[in-house]
Amino acid sequence: DTEVTQTPKHLVMGMTNKKSLKCEQHMGHRAMYWYKQKAKKPPELMFVYSYEKLSINESVPSRFSPECPNSSLLNLHLHALQPEDSALYLCASSQGMVGYYNEQFFGPGTRLTVL
Amino acid sequence: RKEVEQDPGPFNVPEGATVAFNCTYSNSASQSFFWYRQDCRKEPKLLMSVYSSGNEDGRFTAQLNRASQYISLLIRDSKLSDSATYLCVVNGAVSGGYNKLIFGAGTRLAVHP
Repeated sequence: DTEVTQTPKHLVMGMTNKKSLKCEQHMGHRAMYWYKQKAKKPPELMFVYSYEKLSINESVPSRFSPECPNSSLLNLHLHALQPEDSALYLCASSQGMVGYYNEQFFGPGTRLTVL
Repeated sequence: RKEVEQDPGPFNVPEGATVAFNCTYSNSASQSFFWYRQDCRKEPKLLMSVYSSGNEDGRFTAQLNRASQYISLLIRDSKLSDSATYLCVVNGAVSGGYNKLIFGAGTRLAVHP
């Protein structure tokens, strides 16, 4: 089972809303990631968690707040987003964070629209 | 110079054709290399990890030339279902204990009947 699941598939929110994206993997991977992808662009890394601790924050605005409740789950809490934050948000996981252990498997993504 | 460069295409080929994608990377210390495919409005899916000796998986062959910092993907006997964007991905420098994946902009392939 190499599946990473994400919910919801689609999300429309206003700029004053608070919402959360969820990601789950059952591959025993110890590294999990959030990426943002705009149309016709490659994914951009936002956050990296390793062993449930935040390892990398790529200078993401504080209106995005990640959380890793356990080794299988990753959340992304959204608050006071801007229309330019509309994008496909991808979760990924890998065995580790370096070398070939960094072979990453992506979830189907949440397509977010901010009105 | 971009860290990972690919020809954006699109490559329009007939079914059954052989098509090759090239990719160059700038960081000579890179250790791991991958090809992902991404269908329109879907997630990237790992197609192949590229090993130093080159590797083959069915109709797909990946090769690595470290001296030239060049990676290739060859698709033989193209199928309609191969139509997608192919992303060349390279491990960048280790920072904070993490090998950041550097994505190329992708090469679009359209296979027609």
